[in-house]
Amino acid sequence: EIVLTQSPGTLSLSPGQRASLSCRASQTVNSNSLAWFQQKPGQAPGLLIYAASSRAAGIPDRFAGSGSGTDFILTISRLEPEDFAVYYCQQYGTSPWTFGQGTKVEIK
Amino acid sequence: QVELVESGGGVVQPGTSLRLSCAASGFFFSNYGMHWVRQAPGKGLECLAVIWYDGSKYYADSVKGRFIISRDNSKDTLYLQMNSLRGDDTAVYYCARGDDLLSLDYWGQGTLVTVSS
Repeated sequence: EIVLTQSPGTLSLSPGQRASLSCRASQTVNSNSLAWFQQKPGQAPGLLIYAASSRAAGIPDRFAGSGSGTDFILTISRLEPEDFAVYYCQQYGTSPWTFGQGTKVEIK
Repeated sequence: QVELVESGGGVVQPGTSLRLSCAASGFFFSNYGMHWVRQAPGKGLECLAVIWYDGSKYYADSVKGRFIISRDNSKDTLYLQMNSLRGDDTAVYYCARGDDLLSLDYWGQGTLVTVSS
């Protein structure tokens, strides 16, 4: 199975700052089938980005996904208070679909 | 609007069984692959099982041989039969709609399963 490694484990930033989250795959992600999810405490995950760089419906443009092959990035251009959460990458190009271990973005 | 509602969670003893349900509405259920994903307390997300629109299935190694995914398209309902439950099966279990382009685009609210003696 494809193993996804996210870094850093925790990112401590202030509102208004830029966040950059990394996701590295153990092998090429087919068709750039890489998604990013946001999860807040007590809530189900929500889809942010699919196909590596396409924003899901209703997602603000401060969220941007990039990358291809084995290296992917989620960038949040200017952190809003509601963006402090845990973010997961997930590949869905090869069965079994797999998740990274998550990056927590916390308020500094 | 798309809605997924899980039910069936609870507290059970090790070695016993439990069946989870996920009632779907707002879309053509039979046209989509449906997934079960779980999250142990304080941990990350784990894809457990998927049943595709053609009925084919896939299981994670951690549950293969113990859990069975099924669907009833006439009732727009997804199921997860969990047998031989262990303490490390304690988690919130989510159902999610799968899409080849969008990945897991809709999720239920989750149902908590606690395995404890």
